[in-house]
Amino acid sequence: QKEVEQNSGPLSVPEGAIASLNCTYSDRGSQSFFWYRQYSGKSPELIMSIYSNGDKEDGRFTAQLNKASQYVSLLIRDSQPSDSATYLCAVNNGNNRLAFGKGNQVVVIP
Amino acid sequence: NAGVMQNPRHLVRRRGQEARLRCSPMKGHSHVYWYRQLPEEGLKFMVYLQKENIIDESGMPKERFSAEFPKEGPSILRIQQVVRGDSAAYFCASSSQMDSETQYFGPGTRLLVL
Repeated sequence: QKEVEQNSGPLSVPEGAIASLNCTYSDRGSQSFFWYRQYSGKSPELIMSIYSNGDKEDGRFTAQLNKASQYVSLLIRDSQPSDSATYLCAVNNGNNRLAFGKGNQVVVIP
Repeated sequence: NAGVMQNPRHLVRRRGQEARLRCSPMKGHSHVYWYRQLPEEGLKFMVYLQKENIIDESGMPKERFSAEFPKEGPSILRIQQVVRGDSAAYFCASSSQMDSETQYFGPGTRLLVL
């Protein structure tokens, strides 16, 4: 079983719609979770961190964490063309080692 | 520029040569991490360093790869006798002592082995 899984294929959403991304992780002891955005050919850029069960909102982004079900999700409200990128889910596996999923590509269609 | 700095941004080496990748952490950060991103694959943790100490090198290949973060100067990832399979993007990240879990990434070094 992979440490962090992001199974959805490319996600196309119309401009102004909500993009929903999901991520599951295998280590039940994980305590810290992160979402990064990576534009093609660029480096990962931190969007959100979440440590407690529930929702955390920052602007148009909302992260949701459910430790019992071992999943993390990211919602992007009012999607903009500039949100078109690959979104990486990352989990701290201890000792600050981040384990990353392969990412979900989001395409916002004007 | 107070962000994480990496150089060179692009590096071309022939098989058997050595590659040296440099990383200067964000101002005020004392924790440095190296990750590798192979084409069409996710980011993989390689090593976690603090000044003069390797904290976790569980992701480093056993041979040819080494990393250091000296008391003075940048962190260096060294790859000896490069092979084509080493071609990848190598990212450095840093975090602060106060919030060591939150890592900020540099622009990366794209290594191409011919």
